[in-house]
Amino acid sequence: EVQLVQSGAELKKPGESLRISCKASGYTFTAYWISWVRQMPGKGLEWLGRIDPSDSHVNYSPSFQGHVTMSEDKATSTAYLQLSSLTASDTATYYCARLVGAMRIDYWGQGTLISVSS
Amino acid sequence: DIQLTQSPSSLSASVGDTVTITCRSSQDISIYLAWFQQRPGKAPRSLIYAASTLQNGVPSKFGGSGSGTDFTLTISSLQPEDSATYFCHQYNTYPFTFGGGTTVEI
Repeated sequence: EVQLVQSGAELKKPGESLRISCKASGYTFTAYWISWVRQMPGKGLEWLGRIDPSDSHVNYSPSFQGHVTMSEDKATSTAYLQLSSLTASDTATYYCARLVGAMRIDYWGQGTLISVSS
Repeated sequence: DIQLTQSPSSLSASVGDTVTITCRSSQDISIYLAWFQQRPGKAPRSLIYAASTLQNGVPSKFGGSGSGTDFTLTISSLQPEDSATYFCHQYNTYPFTFGGGTTVEI
């Protein structure tokens, strides 16, 4: 069974950084790209970008380039999303999702709620 | 970026009804459109890809159609568990984008 299990909710202060994890199981981690999606409270879905776990190649959405960093660890089948210099506008739920053919989403993680407040 | 406009933004229906949600793209995206269901407080769930192909395990009460710039999601025999927000998503052109969502209340 394919599963993407994300790290737990976090409360951070403005200016801090954080890293969210997405641990994959039930399939060959390097065979499928992972994407990251943001959902601000009460709002829709926003595409952050995608990473190819086979070679760590990353495509960032221009809207988020420079603010997020995607990485992976093949040894633990885990993808990561790092956010730096957090502000209140980073408060959101972040989802990882598996991509088929580097394009379409088939499986989603359960989401990680990040709250940024002083 | 490609804009996806969903309509209506919300709707109310009764058990057993059939509803249709539309998604219009600002550019031709061929059939590279997916639909997701998101129940309150839950992660999205993949329903349809390639405009009309059901994901494994998704019941046939969900149906998708369209190509180019105009797409529809049809949900038949509505049940209380179908109460959710439905999003369309284009993966034809980077950066991939999502529609604003349609909330279905049963």
